[in-house]
Amino acid sequence: AQKVTQAQTEISVVEKEDVTLDCVYETRDTTYYLFWYKQPPSGELVFLIRRNSFDEQNEISGRYSWNFQKSTSSFNFTITASQVVDSAVYFCALSEYSSASKIIFGSGTRLSIRP
Amino acid sequence: DTGVSQDPRHKITKRGQNVTFRCDPISEHNRLYWYRQTLGQGPEFLTYFQNEAQLEKSRLLSDRFSAERPKGSFSTLEIQRTEQGDSAMYLCASSPSSLLAGKGAGELFFGEGSRLTVL
Repeated sequence: AQKVTQAQTEISVVEKEDVTLDCVYETRDTTYYLFWYKQPPSGELVFLIRRNSFDEQNEISGRYSWNFQKSTSSFNFTITASQVVDSAVYFCALSEYSSASKIIFGSGTRLSIRP
Repeated sequence: DTGVSQDPRHKITKRGQNVTFRCDPISEHNRLYWYRQTLGQGPEFLTYFQNEAQLEKSRLLSDRFSAERPKGSFSTLEIQRTEQGDSAMYLCASSPSSLLAGKGAGELFFGEGSRLTVL
């Protein structure tokens, strides 16, 4: 069975601090996809990134970076120099590789950035 | 606006009544998904369509739930004999078909959701 665990329910930091959101996953598949989605206060989920299981290179996009470690089944997300606009609920997710049709989401981490 | 649209945005109903939600996906997307989200939880997969074919259904989707996508465009999700436990946000999403692994796979475009409250 596939499972995604986000142990941090809520995180609150002061603006400009760096923050890391943890994600641990379980799957029996040897190939799979991992994702991060953002749900701002407006409510609409927004896709941030997709990673496939055979590419363990870390990825950086502006202030966002992702660290994928297959050995520990983790896919952590770091925001550098956080801003108030980063306040949202962030979801880590997992799907099978062949079709990416059924995406399993974690329970989310609510991130609050204080000015 | 060319995003995913859902209607109604809010629905309050009494226990035992039937409700129907509609989703209009992004026009060029042939995959359509329904998810359910309760407070403080992540979205839970309910079902998905490739064009008009319903290819997978979650065990969460009891026989009171039915989804259709008759012409491969818009979709409806009907809940019969609603129960208080059905109260949730029902999310629709669409995506291009990911026949080629990696090409847009898993990049879902979500609507704003339809919030159901069962009294």
